[in-house]
Amino acid sequence: EIVMTQSPATLSVSPGERATLSCRASQSVSSNLAWYQQKPGQAPRLLIYGASTRATGIPARFSGSGSGTEFTLTISSLQSEDSAVYHCQQYYNWPPWTFGQGTKVEI
Amino acid sequence: EVQLVQSGGGLVQPGGSLRLSCVVSGFTVSSNYMNWVRLAPGKGLEWVAIVYSGGSTHHTDSVKGRFTISRDDSKNTLYLQMNSLRPEDTAVYYCARGGNRMAVAAIFDYWGQGTLVTVSS
Repeated sequence: EIVMTQSPATLSVSPGERATLSCRASQSVSSNLAWYQQKPGQAPRLLIYGASTRATGIPARFSGSGSGTEFTLTISSLQSEDSAVYHCQQYYNWPPWTFGQGTKVEI
Repeated sequence: EVQLVQSGGGLVQPGGSLRLSCVVSGFTVSSNYMNWVRLAPGKGLEWVAIVYSGGSTHHTDSVKGRFTISRDDSKNTLYLQMNSLRPEDTAVYYCARGGNRMAVAAIFDYWGQGTLVTVSS
């Protein structure tokens, strides 16, 4: 099973600042990496797949990068509605498909 | 418009059973790989089970032999039958749509609203 490790656990940033979230895989997942945003009381929402492709309707301030074992989600110019938990997920090796433990972004 | 509307869940004693339902609209449940994912308190998301477009299924090891994913194409509905429930199964359960081919089976682009399952005496 591939273990996904996210850092930091919590990130406190001010509006307008840039946030950088990290996700590390225990072995290479190539570019088979997705990011999800989850706000309190809501279901997760797909942000990024293929490590860097934004899902439909996702604002351009969200960007993903990386391949292999190291990945980054960058949120440029944070807005108040970006407060959420962000999950990374590998879909390279299954079963099972695995998620990180999440990074909480506080604004 | 794609929608996944969940029902079921609630409080159940250890060893008990529950069935979760997920009614989908805007697409046919048999055309995509359909999944259940859960979020336990204080933990990360965990993939639970998948039913492939061809009908075969796969479950994560911790629920094998206890949970069963299925679908009813005539009702366009996905199910998760949960038996022999344990306290560690306590979580919010989500149905989630995957892609329509294996390479993208686990890119979950639409999710249900979630339903809480609490296993406690």
